[in-house]
Amino acid sequence: GDSVTQMEGPVTLSEEAFLTINCTYTATGYPSLFWYVQYPGEGLQLLLKATKADDKGSNKGFEATYRKETTSFHLEKGSVQVSDSAVYFCALTLYYGNNRLAFGKGNQVVVIP
Amino acid sequence: NAGVTQTPKFQVLKTGQSMTLQCAQDMNHEYMSWYRQDPGMGLRLIHYSVGAGITDQGEVPNGYNVSRSTTEDFPLRLLSAAPSQTSVYFCASTSEGSYEQYFGPGTRLTVT
Repeated sequence: GDSVTQMEGPVTLSEEAFLTINCTYTATGYPSLFWYVQYPGEGLQLLLKATKADDKGSNKGFEATYRKETTSFHLEKGSVQVSDSAVYFCALTLYYGNNRLAFGKGNQVVVIP
Repeated sequence: NAGVTQTPKFQVLKTGQSMTLQCAQDMNHEYMSWYRQDPGMGLRLIHYSVGAGITDQGEVPNGYNVSRSTTEDFPLRLLSAAPSQTSVYFCASTSEGSYEQYFGPGTRLTVT
């Protein structure tokens, strides 16, 4: 079935450091790809999306490029802030407007001042 | 515009008890879903609905029932709670033709 794999373990880094969170996917068709963020005690919010190969999603300084050849959608930010501390989920859906998302396990990101 | 609301925020049940988790949205979204979030597991889809009167099973439907009598409401029922259902439950909604799902704040359920 369709699935998303995120790198293992929490990520701890200092303020202004470069952040990368790896995400790869397995899908039978051509999925749309998403990054969702969950701040402490809250629900998930859409951070960015890409709907076709080579698209780059971006928001709040975060970027991710849809790489069909490597089935990847890695999240990056050049200079993190303490306020970026959250859990980040990679997700996919196969159908436009479909409400069935398949999520990765999530990565806790902790930014230290 | 409240978005997606969920009640209660916290709940403790004993094994075998039943309860209903409430979810409502005021955005006139056709699609609504229930997910559970467990440590190290990400979010897994329990049930979803594409409109009033239409529901279907997701990845982990066992032990849960849903119904969708109105566009706004999508309650999740646990008929006989089990410790394995201890989790954080999220409701989400989206409109047809949209990529973005809107999530509620979650219900933290503990079954002892």
